[in-house]
Amino acid sequence: NAGVMQNPRHLVRRRGQEARLRCSPVKGHSHVYWYRQLPEEGLKFMVYLQKENIIDESGMPKERFSAEFPKEGPSILRIQQVVRGDSAAYFCASSPTGDEQFFGPGTRLTVL
Amino acid sequence: AQKVTQAQTEISVVEKEDVTLDCVYETRDTTYYLFWYKQPPSGELVFLIRRNSFDEQNEISGRYSWNFQKSTSSFNFTITASQVVDSAVYFCALSEPGVAGANSKLTFGKGITLSVRP
Repeated sequence: NAGVMQNPRHLVRRRGQEARLRCSPVKGHSHVYWYRQLPEEGLKFMVYLQKENIIDESGMPKERFSAEFPKEGPSILRIQQVVRGDSAAYFCASSPTGDEQFFGPGTRLTVL
Repeated sequence: AQKVTQAQTEISVVEKEDVTLDCVYETRDTTYYLFWYKQPPSGELVFLIRRNSFDEQNEISGRYSWNFQKSTSSFNFTITASQVVDSAVYFCALSEPGVAGANSKLTFGKGITLSVRP
């Protein structure tokens, strides 16, 4: 009974490159959430998706960030033209009902 | 807007001491959930407890206990007889009702770093 999987666990990018973070929810979960944890900070909500739909993106930066959760395959958080300030841990959580959330191990993004 | 305040930033105790981690929250919703998560040095988030706003009963699980006081908007977490393995960052979080009645995004506090010395 696999939990939430995130890959890669660690990602290093140079400024200006693209970062793609993947999240495979618990089997049967159709709700996915993305959170960002900056150094020495708590987690901040970014986006909430259900299959093929963005439900709430109020925490997403207006530019360079996008998220999707296609009918087949993992959810993807995409960051274009990364900057040093994007360095953080990105956590994905999934839920069967939009209620209790199960977190993945996180992806630690370092921008050089 | 929702807010979670964890006023303590770092706590250091000696093994076997009891320690209480404070959490105060703000919300205009009458229905909400409160959570505690543990983040050990390895970095993953470990779920500890979820409590809904209508259940003010205190909860005990082994050495862990939680005190939910709606009157003071607090949801404090006590570790009894602390152990070195309890060393971690502890986050309190609050969820609000989202679209279609489902609780959605979590609002986290900034976390409390607990160090338990042998």
